[in-house]
Amino acid sequence: EDKVVQSPLSLVVHEGDTVTLNCSYEVTNFRSLLWYKQEKKAPTFLFMLTSSGIEKKSGRLSSILDKKELFSILNITATQTGDSAVYLCAAPYGGATNKLIFGTGTLLAVQP
Amino acid sequence: GAVVSQHPSRVICKSGTSVKIECRSLDFQATTMFWYRQFPKQSLMLMATSNEGSKATYEQGVEKDKFLINHASLTLSTLTVTSAHPEDSSFYICSARPTGGSFYGYTFGSGTRLTVV
Repeated sequence: EDKVVQSPLSLVVHEGDTVTLNCSYEVTNFRSLLWYKQEKKAPTFLFMLTSSGIEKKSGRLSSILDKKELFSILNITATQTGDSAVYLCAAPYGGATNKLIFGTGTLLAVQP
Repeated sequence: GAVVSQHPSRVICKSGTSVKIECRSLDFQATTMFWYRQFPKQSLMLMATSNEGSKATYEQGVEKDKFLINHASLTLSTLTVTSAHPEDSSFYICSARPTGGSFYGYTFGSGTRLTVV
C-alpha cells in the first residue's frame, strides 16, 4: 500500500530558528515528491523533486530528495512568524490518473 | 498562473439536506479534477477523481451515492453531498491540473468548510 509519512507532527520554534521537516514515502513506481504549504485554506505549491541529491531552493526554503533511502527534507532557515503553517508532502500514484497521496502534515508554529 | 475557484467557501446546512460544491478552473482546461476531504489537524484524504465526460472514480470507503460528482465540462466539476449528516462536516478541497500538464501544475481551490447542523 502506498503511503507518505511526515515527522514531526508538530513543531514550535522561535523566530530566527532553523527547522527541518521530514517526509518518508513508499510509493509504487515513484516519480516525484511535492511539498506544499497550507495556511488556512488551499495548499500552495513549494517544490517538486524528482532527482536524488539535487537541492531545490527558494529564498529561505530548500528541499532535497533521497531516492535510495526514500525520504525528503524541507529546510526553513531564519524562520519568521509568517512561516507558521501546515507543511504537506505528497507523491503522485495510481498510474495515469496521477492522483496525489498526502503525508500526515507537519504543523509548524513560529513564535515571535 | 493556473487558478482554481471553489464555491462556496463556507456553508451551513441542516441535517438531511444536500449541498453542492463547485470547482472551476478559470484559465485552463482540466480533464481531471480531484476532490479531497480534510478533518481538523489531519491531512488531505483523496475522495474521488473526477473525469470530464465520464463517471468519477471513488477511493475505497467513499460512498458514491453519498458524494455525487459531476464533471460536465472541461472547466467545472461539482461535488454534491447528499442527505448530509453532522459527520459529513469537514473541509472539502478540489484540485485540478491542466490537461497534459506535469505534476508541477496541481492547483488547489480555496476549499469549502461544510458544517451540518
